[in-house]
Amino acid sequence: QSALTQPASVSGSPGHSINISCTGTNNDVGGYNLVSWYQQNPGKTPKLIIYEGNKRPSGVSNRFSGSRSGNTASLTISGLQAEDEGDYYCSAYAGSSTVIFGGGTKLTVL
Amino acid sequence: EEQLVQSGAELTKPGESLKISCKASGYSFTSYWIGWVRQMPGKGLEWMGVIYPSNSDTKYSPSFQGQVTISADKSITTAYLQWSSLKASDTAIYYCTKGGSGYYYWFDSWGQGTLVTVSS
Repeated sequence: QSALTQPASVSGSPGHSINISCTGTNNDVGGYNLVSWYQQNPGKTPKLIIYEGNKRPSGVSNRFSGSRSGNTASLTISGLQAEDEGDYYCSAYAGSSTVIFGGGTKLTVL
Repeated sequence: EEQLVQSGAELTKPGESLKISCKASGYSFTSYWIGWVRQMPGKGLEWMGVIYPSNSDTKYSPSFQGQVTISADKSITTAYLQWSSLKASDTAIYYCTKGGSGYYYWFDSWGQGTLVTVSS
């Protein structure tokens, strides 16, 4: 099992929107609608922000949204804020009772 | 309030054994999967495996199968991650996590992390 593919870095200006892609195969991202996304602010513990592709846990801002097309999932952050800066990880169920993570994407708010 | 409180940082030597813990509170321990996630220094997250404390059903990533053992003691709502012979490459932060909605496909609560340093 290989890690899901994410861009190493993305950046955007405050108030703008950005997208982070997460590419897998039809054995993971494309095979099940079980993609989740995590935010890890510098020096902090990861936090779940999207699960089952497009659902937000209670308390997570609606500026975060998820989608999927084929073997690629995407996280969109709208209305960028300075506090959004950090690392973002996707994960997906990969069958055979296992889950895999993406390599992570560093978001810089300019 | 759901809480996962992990044991403190460890400094160990190659070849030694180690068991770290994760004390859960604020929810029904036996109704949710508990997982472990590794983060090596400056690197990304890696899914290691999970356990269902109610019946100790355990699932491992192929990358970690045979390298670590995940267990749980439901009488004290505590999960464990253990090694029988540590290597320098095991140096990392290990996070204890709680599966969401009764599944193990995503983690909705995370412990504070336990830093394990393996060095001679």
